[in-house]
Order: sequence, then structure tokens, then C-alpha cells
Amino acid sequence: AQSVAQPEDQVNVAEGNPLTVKCTYSVSGNPYLFWYVQYPNRGLQFLLKYITGDNLVKGSYGFEAEFNKSQTSFHLKKPSALVSDSALYFCAVPSGSARQLTFGSGTQLTVLP
Amino acid sequence: NAGVMQNPRHLVRRRGQEARLRCSPMKGHSHVYWYRQLPEEGLKFMVYLQKENIIDESGMPKERFSAEFPKEGPSILRIQQVVRGDSAAYFCATAKPGQGRGTEAFFGQGTRLTVV
Repeated sequence: AQSVAQPEDQVNVAEGNPLTVKCTYSVSGNPYLFWYVQYPNRGLQFLLKYITGDNLVKGSYGFEAEFNKSQTSFHLKKPSALVSDSALYFCAVPSGSARQLTFGSGTQLTVLP
Repeated sequence: NAGVMQNPRHLVRRRGQEARLRCSPMKGHSHVYWYRQLPEEGLKFMVYLQKENIIDESGMPKERFSAEFPKEGPSILRIQQVVRGDSAAYFCATAKPGQGRGTEAFFGQGTRLTVV
């Protein structure tokens, strides 16, 4: 079964510092990996995805993610955090014949001013 | 191009009542996925529909829950005889047909159901 894991429930970082939100995956075959962000009382917004090719994927709002096959990881990163980046972040992998997404448990990112 | 529209945004039901949640896909999207987000948990897949067909309902509770996506109109997630444990945020996501596994789905803003 395809799955992802987010080992940290909560990440705190000071504004202006780099941030990392961790995700590891367990998939069979070529991995397709996604990051979504959820702001309070809102739906999920797509940030970026990895399909194939470059291991460093650039996405929306200055976010990027590094695909690491040997460590089976797909960590989300941003060089300089903003207070407005504070939100709930989910990594996800398509699974099943219906391509439905299996989500990680989510990581609450808080950027402190 | 309007995004995925869900209504109502908030729904309060008494135990035993019925809840009907609606999802209108983005233009050109004929694939609809419903997910449930329980408090303090991630999103869990419930059901996948295409126009007039349920394709995969493996995540749907066997009783009281049903979904449809008629030829005309929005997709409906229906919960009969609601119980307190049904309180959650329900999200739909839509996608274009014929896309591969690497295609992102677009989410609505969700319906927050509260059962009192």
C-alpha cells in the first residue's frame, strides 16, 4: 500500500529563518508525491508535486521540496519563513485505482514573528 | 473559472436528522472525490465518483452514508440519521478526466458539519 508519514505534529520557526517540514514515503513503483497546505477553516491548496526528473521541485509561495530516493523522503522547504506561512501542511501520495490521495497526518507550522 | 464550490460551508444538524452536502466541480472536471477530516486528524478518502457512477466507495461507512453525482447538478454526499461522531469537515476534490496519477486535484473549502 502507498503511504506517507509526517513525523512531526508541530514545527515552530522564527520569521526569516529557513523552514523544513518532513515527509517520508513508502510506495511501490515510481513515486508521485504531493504537498498541500491548509489555512484555518479553508480547503487544501496545492503547493507542489514530484513526478519524475529533478529532485528539487519548486512550487507556490516560494516553497520547494527535495525528493531523496535513498532516504525515501520528500521534505518541504522554504529559505525564509513568513508569519503568513503558518498553516497545516500535508504530504500525500495517490493510491488505489481511483487515484485518491492518501495523506500524512499533517504538520502544524507556526512561524513566530 | 470558478473553483470547486461546496455548500453549505457550515451545517448544524440534530442527532437523527439528515445532512446533505453539495459539491460543484470546476469547469471541465468530471471526477469527484469526497474526503472527511475528523478533528485533529488528517483527511481520509471516502468515495470517488464520475458522472452517474460510483467508482470507488471503499472509504465510505457501510451504513447511513451515500453519494451521487448526477448527470446534471452537483455531487451530493448524504448522511442519514446523523450521530455526534459524524461531526467533521467534509471536503470534495475534483479533477479532469483522462489525467494520470501525477495530476493534482483541486479542493473545495469544505463543509463543516456539527451534530448536536
